[in-house]
Amino acid sequence: QKEVEQDPGPLSVPEGAIVSLNCTYSNSAFQYFMWYRQYSRKGPELLMYTYSSGNKEDGRFTAQVDKSSKYISLFIRDSQPSDSATYLCAHWPSGTYKYIFGTGTRLKVLA
Amino acid sequence: DAGITQSPRHKVTETGTPVTLRCHQTENHRYMYWYRQDPGHGLRLIHYSYGVKDTDKGEVSDGYSVSRSKTEDFLLTLESATSSQTSVYFCAINGRDSSSYEQYFGPGTRLTVT
Repeated sequence: QKEVEQDPGPLSVPEGAIVSLNCTYSNSAFQYFMWYRQYSRKGPELLMYTYSSGNKEDGRFTAQVDKSSKYISLFIRDSQPSDSATYLCAHWPSGTYKYIFGTGTRLKVLA
Repeated sequence: DAGITQSPRHKVTETGTPVTLRCHQTENHRYMYWYRQDPGHGLRLIHYSYGVKDTDKGEVSDGYSVSRSKTEDFLLTLESATSSQTSVYFCAINGRDSSSYEQYFGPGTRLTVT
């Protein structure tokens, strides 16, 4: 089992829809969780991070961590065509500097 | 813009030749990383550095070596390129200080081994 699992998509939604992107992880020691956005032929850029459980909101984006089920989510409200990208979840295990990335979910928001 | 550049941005090389990719940062960050990104595998860590001359292996380090003689430069060398090393290579640096969890990525190098 991979340490981090993501559905690769592609996920296609109409403009204005609420998008839910998900990751599952296997190591209960994971504490820091991050979401990166990657546009085609570009490097990933940090979108949001959370520590431990709970929700974090930033504009149209909400990151949610459920440690009991080892599940993290990214919600995008009022999705826009400019949100079309690949979204990667990542974890930073405490005590190391080796980040672990999911394979990414490709999102297409249709105008 | 996190001040990370990679060179070259694109390269085509033949099997068996050595290749060196360069990552340069202007942020004076201690931690630097090399990843490769392939369809279906996501980002996989090749090597990382936690200071000048201090490096460690990642999950896919076979066939790669690294060097860091200056804080700002982190070199990745493919000692004898193989077709399986055709990939997009990303350099990254770690956050604002040694306790930061944020990673900032360079623009990538697209390498094709024929």
